[in-house]
Amino acid sequence: GNSVTQMEGPVTLSEEAFLTINCTYTATGYPSLFWYVQYPGEGLQLLLKATKADDKGSNKGFEATYRKETTSFHLEKGSVQVSDSAVYFCALAGGTSYGKLTFGQGTILTVHP
Amino acid sequence: GAVVSQHPSRVICKSGTSVKIECRSLDFQATTMFWYRQFPKQSLMLMATSNEGSKATYEQGVEKDKFLINHASLTLSTLTVTSAHPEDSSFYICSARTSGGGGETQYFGPGTRLLVL
Repeated sequence: GNSVTQMEGPVTLSEEAFLTINCTYTATGYPSLFWYVQYPGEGLQLLLKATKADDKGSNKGFEATYRKETTSFHLEKGSVQVSDSAVYFCALAGGTSYGKLTFGQGTILTVHP
Repeated sequence: GAVVSQHPSRVICKSGTSVKIECRSLDFQATTMFWYRQFPKQSLMLMATSNEGSKATYEQGVEKDKFLINHASLTLSTLTVTSAHPEDSSFYICSARTSGGGGETQYFGPGTRLLVL
């Protein structure tokens, strides 16, 4: 079946630092990959997505590239802000469970001024 | 676009009572809605998949008689926690999937925090 493994947190950074949150996946076929963000007390928001190999999803300064050869979808941002503090979830849909999202365990990011 | 709302956002109830949570897609038609449960500092656990006009499909280990799901229209799905107990306290999140292009993208509601006393 499908699975997603995320870098364990929590991750604590100073403002303007570089961010990487690793994500690797296991799936058959050609899944779509997603990053969701959850701010404190809120539901999930779609941050970015990629639907095929070598696609790069980007939004709000965040980027992730769909790497089929390494089955990875690492999230990066060049300069984080305090407002980026949240929980980040990597997820996939497709493969053996079309339509259902499989989530990673989430990574808590805290950015200090 | 693609806004999903949930009501209520927070509910406190006594043990043994039933609680209904509504999930609405406000600006699109959602043929499929999903219900998740999230425990503190943990990932989302899919409870069930709800298709408009048909019975929900429950994930293994989820009691369908306890968590009643109704998807009566293309914009509304409800989750009823029957005879709630303290162990049902959790954050319940719904999502809706668009039926058109980009159909694998799910849009999430803001969640409902349930506390059973």
